[in-house]
Amino acid sequence: TQLLEQSPQFLSIQEGENLTVYCNSSSVFSSLQWYRQEPGEGPVLLVTVVTGGEVKKLKRLTFQFGDARKDSSLHITAAQPGDTGLYLCAGAPRMNRDDKIIFGKGTRLHILP
Amino acid sequence: ETGVTQTPRHLVMGMTNKKSLKCEQHLGHNAMYWYKQSAKKPLELMFVYSLEERVENNSVPSRFSPECPNSSHLFLHLHTLQPEDSALYLCASSQARGLDSPLHFGNGTRLTVT
Repeated sequence: TQLLEQSPQFLSIQEGENLTVYCNSSSVFSSLQWYRQEPGEGPVLLVTVVTGGEVKKLKRLTFQFGDARKDSSLHITAAQPGDTGLYLCAGAPRMNRDDKIIFGKGTRLHILP
Repeated sequence: ETGVTQTPRHLVMGMTNKKSLKCEQHLGHNAMYWYKQSAKKPLELMFVYSLEERVENNSVPSRFSPECPNSSHLFLHLHTLQPEDSALYLCASSQARGLDSPLHFGNGTRLTVT
């Protein structure tokens, strides 16, 4: 079974703190995507990482793709209440000939003001 | 506005009812998708349409019946559902089917089967 394991499942921290969430798999991915889903809304794409070792920054969010292309991390600096939401990673394992995208279960993040 | 609009936002139906979920995309995309989002489970892909042709059906029970009359509209017809079908149903679209085309999601229909 090709799975994307996300950790932690839940995280509640104070505004201004830093945090890192993880997306891990035993499979190699051509690329990984990160989405954020706010309550009552659908997921919204944040970033796609493509190259092993790649680092992408989106304001206070830093995304990294592992060298072996099996894992990714999302680091948030000085978290804000607006960062609250469900963070999902998604990708298609390279062994999937049909490019079927699979999603992790997500990390539910709550930033306390 | 997300570019992908789903109606209704909430739906409560009995097990013997027939209802339909509607999705409309205003992005000029060629692929449309239905996903099911349940608590404590990953997003589950149900159906994929590419250029109005169904290209994927992930062993979804026949009580769910999709319809794609044109590239902008997608329906999910529901009949004789079970309580375990209660979930958030998300529609998405992408420019093309494949890894290079990110998914644009609607805000979903929260379905409760009683």
